[in-house]
Amino acid sequence: GEDVEQSLFLSVREGDSSVINCTYTDSSSTYLYWYKQEPGAGLQLLTYIFSNMDMKQDQRLTVLLNKKDKHLSLRIADTQTGDSAIYFCAEFGGGFKTIFGAGTRLFVKA
Amino acid sequence: GAGVSQSPSNKVTEKGKDVELRCDPISGHTALYWYRQSLGQGLEFLIYFQGNSAPDKSGLPSDRFSAERTGGSVSTLTIQRTQQEDSAVYLCASSLSQGSKNIQYFGAGTRLSVL
Repeated sequence: GEDVEQSLFLSVREGDSSVINCTYTDSSSTYLYWYKQEPGAGLQLLTYIFSNMDMKQDQRLTVLLNKKDKHLSLRIADTQTGDSAIYFCAEFGGGFKTIFGAGTRLFVKA
Repeated sequence: GAGVSQSPSNKVTEKGKDVELRCDPISGHTALYWYRQSLGQGLEFLIYFQGNSAPDKSGLPSDRFSAERTGGSVSTLTIQRTQQEDSAVYLCASSLSQGSKNIQYFGAGTRLSVL
């Protein structure tokens, strides 16, 4: 079945770049998403990329998609302490079900 | 308008009791989802409502779990005879439609603790 995998933890120093990686299995995925979850809150859409794109940039965020390898990454430039959160990768292939990964907990050290 | 609202935000109950969790989706959103998030785990899909169609209950873990959506808006997730393994954060999300980008908007969740 469909599956989305991502590493559980990432620790970076403030000001460095963070790269969170994700792999997925559904080759028919049309949209891939990054959601952010801050403590005590629900998930909030951070950015998304359509499957026919390789890259999407939005201010400090860069999303790279390697469709051949089914690999998605999120790069956060100049990481701040406010970026500390859990980041979820998710895929949507049409129909109704969005498949979420387990989330990567990002720790930013001052 | 307002975002997705869930109540209560926290619920502590005793093993064996029934609980009801409520979700108010964003007005006009036809799709509504319930997920369970256990400590250190990803999102476990529970149930999906789309308009007036029959809900997809394929993710409900046992027959102790049920959900309804009244008038195509508010939804209630009911857990009967709660067990300690039911302790988790229950998240509700709504989206504008099942097609297109299916961007889901999440509530803050209900943290359920079963003692």
